[in-house]
Amino acid sequence: DTGVSQNPRHKITKRGQNVTFRCDPISEHNRLYWYRQTLGQGPEFLTYFQNEAQLEKSRLLSDRFSAERPKGSFSTLEIQRTEQGDSAMYLCASSFLGEGFGKLFFGSGTQLSVL
Amino acid sequence: DAKTTQPPSMDCAEGRAANLPCNHSTISGNEYVYWYRQIHSQGPQYIIHGLKNNETNEMASLIITEDRKSSTLILPHATLRDTAVYYCIVRTNNAGNMLTFGGGTRLMVKP
Repeated sequence: DTGVSQNPRHKITKRGQNVTFRCDPISEHNRLYWYRQTLGQGPEFLTYFQNEAQLEKSRLLSDRFSAERPKGSFSTLEIQRTEQGDSAMYLCASSFLGEGFGKLFFGSGTQLSVL
Repeated sequence: DAKTTQPPSMDCAEGRAANLPCNHSTISGNEYVYWYRQIHSQGPQYIIHGLKNNETNEMASLIITEDRKSSTLILPHATLRDTAVYYCIVRTNNAGNMLTFGGGTRLMVKP
């Protein structure tokens, strides 16, 4: 098991375009989280899934942001009509329910640049 | 979750112990102290956590004061690869409670 995998590592897009990021969690982990991190700040929680159920999405930054985890395995985060303020690192993490709720394993993130 | 206060930056000499402090004076009885670190261009990495007792693992030791209002993360023999931002997070250990990251401490290990 190589850990949490995120693709792509970098994405450059023009303002107004839609982008989608993929996260593959550690295989036996049933919880999956999305965070966003801007330069010089700590990661900011966006949403999380337990299996395929999205249990918290009120922290998604706007209705342009959506996430799915259709079969309880990989997840996608989509941003529609991107804006320059969406430029950030998007981090995915997963955890195993049996290990408690604070031990997360993070991927290396997708760096988004909106021109 | 209780708010934490950490110094924005610290230096440490390679091979020496790095002691990273964290204040969490409003911590409540059911809140744990978690430490993560983030090396440049990587996602955060879990280090250690504790409730009341001191904890040690292969990465670090966590010392929590008796009144639980502060804690110290100790890297016993810092190496250049320990240069990172270290986050102290206090949270209850229940399902709906997310990790909330503050600004952290930027530790620079120098040769």
